[in-house]
Amino acid sequence: GQNIDQPTEMTATEGAIVQINCTYQTSGFNGLFWYQQHAGEAPTFLSYNVLDGLEEKGRFSSFLSRSKGYSYLLLKELQMKDSASYLCAVRDGVYGQNFVFGPGTRLSVLP
Amino acid sequence: GAVVSQHPSRVICKSGTSVKIECRSLDFQATTMFWYRQFPKQSLMLMATSNEGSKATYEQGVEKDKFLINHASLTLSTLTVTSAHPEDSSFYICSARESTDSNQPQHFGDGTRLSIL
Repeated sequence: GQNIDQPTEMTATEGAIVQINCTYQTSGFNGLFWYQQHAGEAPTFLSYNVLDGLEEKGRFSSFLSRSKGYSYLLLKELQMKDSASYLCAVRDGVYGQNFVFGPGTRLSVLP
Repeated sequence: GAVVSQHPSRVICKSGTSVKIECRSLDFQATTMFWYRQFPKQSLMLMATSNEGSKATYEQGVEKDKFLINHASLTLSTLTVTSAHPEDSSFYICSARESTDSNQPQHFGDGTRLSIL
């Protein structure tokens, strides 16, 4: 079966660094994606990993270990606007088109 | 970047009404689009995969006669919630991926908040 786990909620302080973890067990793997979703809005794409290692994009970085079924999203220099849900999604399926979303992590950034 | 337009953004209607939601890829072609439903404080749940020119593939537990999907062209998919009831109230989101590059992420529409009275 498909199973993706993330912490339900996290809290951090403005200016700090926070790491959001994601573990997955899927029948196939063709890439892992991180999305940001503000309340009442659609998700927006943040990062993509298909090979092991760290991908850096400005204040956001994402890491993948395929052997461990593990990824994390690292947010640096937190800003109030980073308060949102962060969704981990694994691309699965015969043709790698299907996405399986994790439950999401609600991040609250405090002043 | 790839833009997906979803319309309407919000619908409030009486029980028994059928509601149509449109999803358009504005600057790319998408042979496949996806329809998700999201209940408050929950993650996205895939309802169906919409394939241009063929029948949609529905996830287990999703009634195909209740949620009609039509993918009429490479840039348009529609989801019709037939005879909607209060339990169908939810946030519906479509997504699409540029067909030619399998490494591209899904791009989401802005979502449709459906409220059935």
